[in-house]
Amino acid sequence: GQQVMQIPQYQHVQEGEDFTTYCNSSTTLSNIQWYKQRPGGHPVFLIQLVKSGEVKKQKRLTFQFGEAKKNSSLHITATQTTDVGTYFCAGENSGYSTLTFGKGTMLLVSP
Amino acid sequence: ETGVTQSPTHLIKTRGQQVTLRCSSQSGHNTVSWYQQALGQGPQFIFQYYREEENGRGNFPPRFSGLQFPNYSSELNVNALELDDSALYLCASRLQGTGSPLHFGNGTRLTVT
Repeated sequence: GQQVMQIPQYQHVQEGEDFTTYCNSSTTLSNIQWYKQRPGGHPVFLIQLVKSGEVKKQKRLTFQFGEAKKNSSLHITATQTTDVGTYFCAGENSGYSTLTFGKGTMLLVSP
Repeated sequence: ETGVTQSPTHLIKTRGQQVTLRCSSQSGHNTVSWYQQALGQGPQFIFQYYREEENGRGNFPPRFSGLQFPNYSSELNVNALELDDSALYLCASRLQGTGSPLHFGNGTRLTVT
């Protein structure tokens, strides 16, 4: 079945440093979505990427979808303590219309 | 707009027992998915329902079953509970169709002793 892998599992940064998490799928995706889960909370939708090579920005967050539609990345510029949480990518295969989540990258930001 | 609500929030069961978890979808959403999230892991897809029929299933045994009702609310049933079933169970609703985002409930924390 479809597998979605994320690295790193965990990253601890100082406030103001940048952060990047990478996501790779074993199959070509119809779209990829990113979610953020705060400690003790539930995943919250951030963004969806659909087109090959697509880049989207949300303030300090930049999301990219690879040309082959099998990989993606999330980059946070100048992290803040409010960025703390676990970031998940979730890939959707058009044949199944279901989302497969990666294991997530836990981000800790020290002030 | 009413969000996704789940009940109960916490539950403790004994190995071998059965459990039913409930979910009310966000208004206007016709598809519901259930996920199991073990501590420190990503949500694992259990199954998805659309128009009261299961239209996708992950790698979970048959003792995990579900229902979707005409009002799009849903139930997750787990029979013959095992210790490894201890996890956060998340319900998520969406509009049918690829690309629509999942809206998650707060989850039910199940502990099996």
